[in-house]
Amino acid sequence: SAVISQKPSRDICQRGTSLTIQCQVDSQVTMMFWYRQQPGQSLTLIATANQGSEATYESGFVIDKFPISRPNLTFSTLTVSNMSPEDSSIYLCSVEDQGSSGYTFGSGTRLTVV
Amino acid sequence: GENVEQHPSTLSVQEGDSAVIKCTYSDSASNYFPWYKQELGKGPQLIIDIRSNVGEKKDQRIAVTLNKTAKHFSLHITETQPEDSAVYFCAASKGNYGQNFVFGPGTRLSVLP
Repeated sequence: SAVISQKPSRDICQRGTSLTIQCQVDSQVTMMFWYRQQPGQSLTLIATANQGSEATYESGFVIDKFPISRPNLTFSTLTVSNMSPEDSSIYLCSVEDQGSSGYTFGSGTRLTVV
Repeated sequence: GENVEQHPSTLSVQEGDSAVIKCTYSDSASNYFPWYKQELGKGPQLIIDIRSNVGEKKDQRIAVTLNKTAKHFSLHITETQPEDSAVYFCAASKGNYGQNFVFGPGTRLSVLP
């Protein structure tokens, strides 16, 4: 199955600043997905990132707050902009696993905004 | 849109006993139902999945059953071990793409030695 490296694994940030999260996959994938997992909660899809086109955002998430880049088929970044304490969550990237019918997740970035 | 409910929210079992987690979904068009296990500090890991054309699937100690008519599916873990302790998420999807995934709220399973 695909191997995903996600950085940073955790960070503590000041409110009003921005953090960029990186997701690197060991194989080429068409779509990459970014999720948010609030403390003790389930996973919510933020957006889908295709290489060569703008990301598609889910209801409640906007590009100005969560800009996404997808420069090639193995890499994507998610930026959390102008952060507030409410943005404190785990952010995860995911890809479709070509070797199975499921999806592989990165280990996540645990973000705390103070 | 799709709504996925999951019960129980927490479950404690003795080592060696069986554990059952149930999920219901609302959209009859959903056709793919994966189960993920999330250990502390890690991302979710796919443990088993089932498609709507199959009623049951088994992989060693883990099995999933699907009742399309009632729109519910269940995860069964037999001979539980302490390493089974984790949060388990069910999900429902209308297609093969992650943008259609709706996750349940999760079940925290504790296997007591």
